Amino acid sequence: EIVLTQSPGTLSLSPGERATLSCRASQSVSSSFLAWYQHKPGQAPRLLLYAASSRATGIPDRFSGTGSGTDFTLTISRLEPEDFAVYYCQLYGSSRTFGQGTKVEIK
Amino acid sequence: QVQLVQSGAEVKKPGASVKVSCKASGFTFSSYYMNWVRQAPGQGLEWMGIISPTGDSTTYAQSFQGRVTMTRGTTTSTVYMELSSLRSEDTAVYYCARGGGIAARPYDYWGQGTLVTVSS
Repeated sequence: EIVLTQSPGTLSLSPGERATLSCRASQSVSSSFLAWYQHKPGQAPRLLLYAASSRATGIPDRFSGTGSGTDFTLTISRLEPEDFAVYYCQLYGSSRTFGQGTKVEIK
Repeated sequence: QVQLVQSGAEVKKPGASVKVSCKASGFTFSSYYMNWVRQAPGQGLEWMGIISPTGDSTTYAQSFQGRVTMTRGTTTSTVYMELSSLRSEDTAVYYCARGGGIAARPYDYWGQGTLVTVSS
């Protein structure tokens, strides 16, 4: 079973700063099946990126994704107040698993 | 527009079963795999299982094998998740989500979540 490990656990930043979130797979995976989600309390998770770097419908371009093999990154170029949330990476192909999440909190 | 509307909150006693529903609208329900994902208090997202568009194939996460059953009604555009032998650790918000399967679609639409509380 592939394990996704996200780091850091918590990221304390100010609005306007850049956020860099990491997702590492326990073995090489296809980037075609790597997604990122944003989750806020009391809401359903929201798809941000799929296939590692493709933005979902309506997602602003301050969200970007890179990576291949075992290492993937979600970057938020300039944090807006509404971006403070928990972010999960996920495999959605034959392997189905979520990372444990990274909380982006206001510093 | 695509909508997934889940049934309301449940309170169950340990050992009981719960069945949560998720009614779909705004898309061709019979063309999509559906998933169930849960989030326990203070924890992350946990994938529980997936059901095929026709309902004839299911795959469950190992941690739920033997306790979870996913079904779907093609005429009602509803997917169901039943979890049995409930224990306190099953207290969580349960979500349905569209995606996955052979086409390996990301989970682009989610239900609003159903809180299941297991307490004596």
